[in-house]
Amino acid sequence: DSGVTQTPKHLITATGQRVTLRCSPRSGDLSVYWYQQSLDQGLQFLIQYYNGEERAKGNILERFSAQQFPDLHSELNLSSLELGDSALYFCASSDARGVAFFGQGTRLTVV
Amino acid sequence: GQQVMQIPQYQHVQEGEDFTTYCNSSTTLSNIQWYKQRPGGHPVFLIQLVKSGEVKKQKRLTFQFGEAKKNSSLHITATQTTDVGTYFCAGRRSGGYQKVTFGTGTKLQVIP
Repeated sequence: DSGVTQTPKHLITATGQRVTLRCSPRSGDLSVYWYQQSLDQGLQFLIQYYNGEERAKGNILERFSAQQFPDLHSELNLSSLELGDSALYFCASSDARGVAFFGQGTRLTVV
Repeated sequence: GQQVMQIPQYQHVQEGEDFTTYCNSSTTLSNIQWYKQRPGGHPVFLIQLVKSGEVKKQKRLTFQFGEAKKNSSLHITATQTTDVGTYFCAGRRSGGYQKVTFGTGTKLQVIP
């Protein structure tokens, strides 16, 4: 158990819909990262937050947005969903060394 | 932007054979991390290397950071079926705050 909690584990939704993925980082970790992993692909960095502020941005679509709340949990919002958005979405938090601890992921299926 | 490439992308080995994956960065790194993702699982941290030329071992796994701090390798001796998974390197560029960039990954299959 990495200490990072992601909900839900699975999500099936229709094209055009909007979903929210939730992540609770490890206790004490201030950084939260979001990654997208399509089937058998690598980890595509989406966005990073540090103590409530956006720190770095990757190839995140304009239809996607995220935020980190004062209690440090984070949400990733995906809107106007397309079939190609089907993927595993991982959240990770990092410790003072910069080592990332990943949650179990949310498997999103858009039908 | 920073790119971190890994080769090979896929590797099939017979159980007992050795395996090596290579990680190459387009920029100098302050450190390199290695992660393993089992099938159906999430990436799990294995090790971090910080010094130029550093070599670390974990049982049958040997990790190396290049002298120029732009490349790294992971070598597994006498693979076992439990080694199956995708191995990712992840590097942080030198200079100020830089985000970690994950490599493209090497998927290892071990044939019993």
